[in-house]
Amino acid sequence: AQTVTQSQPEMSVQEAETVTLSCTYDTSESNYYLFWYKQPPSRQMILVIRQEAYKQQNATENRFSVNFQKAAKSFSLKISDSQLGDTAMYFCAFMWLGAQKLVFGQGTRLTINP
Amino acid sequence: EPEVTQTPSHQVTQMGQEVILRCVPISNHLYFYWYRQILGQKVEFLVSFYNNEISEKSEIFDDQFSVERPDGSNFTLKIRSTKLEDSAMYFCASSRQIRNEKLFFGSGTQLSVL
Repeated sequence: AQTVTQSQPEMSVQEAETVTLSCTYDTSESNYYLFWYKQPPSRQMILVIRQEAYKQQNATENRFSVNFQKAAKSFSLKISDSQLGDTAMYFCAFMWLGAQKLVFGQGTRLTINP
Repeated sequence: EPEVTQTPSHQVTQMGQEVILRCVPISNHLYFYWYRQILGQKVEFLVSFYNNEISEKSEIFDDQFSVERPDGSNFTLKIRSTKLEDSAMYFCASSRQIRNEKLFFGSGTQLSVL
């Protein structure tokens, strides 16, 4: 079974700083997708970034980038120039290619302080 | 940008009552999902639905749960006899024809069972 672990329950940084959220996963599959979702206080789930496991290049979306280490089964999210609106719960998620379900980690609560 | 719509945003019910949670997926999407999040816990997969039938379901999705696409636009989750432990945020999601495409989540329905 696939599992996703986020070892940082909470993090807090100052506005404009860079912050990295950690995620590790366990799977025997070789083809899969990894995701970071943001859940602000409104509790809506918003996709931040997606990475295909077969791609060596790390995905980037504006201020958000990932460090994907397939051999280590690690998938961290870096937020550059953090903004107050980045305050949210962040979930790492895994989906095996051909499956129809996301497996989520426990989440990291990120607070950006002014 | 198109979005997934869920109603109601909050529902309160008595234990043992039936509830129906409603979702309107994005119009050109063909895969539909329900996830739930008990307060303070990770988001969990319940069920996926494609071509008018369940394509995958989790252990949580027992006989008390059912899904339906009654009219080609709505996608519903029914809980036949609610229990206290069914209290959670329920998220509907949809994706386009291609599997592993980006999942678009609705804003959720907070179900409170008293």
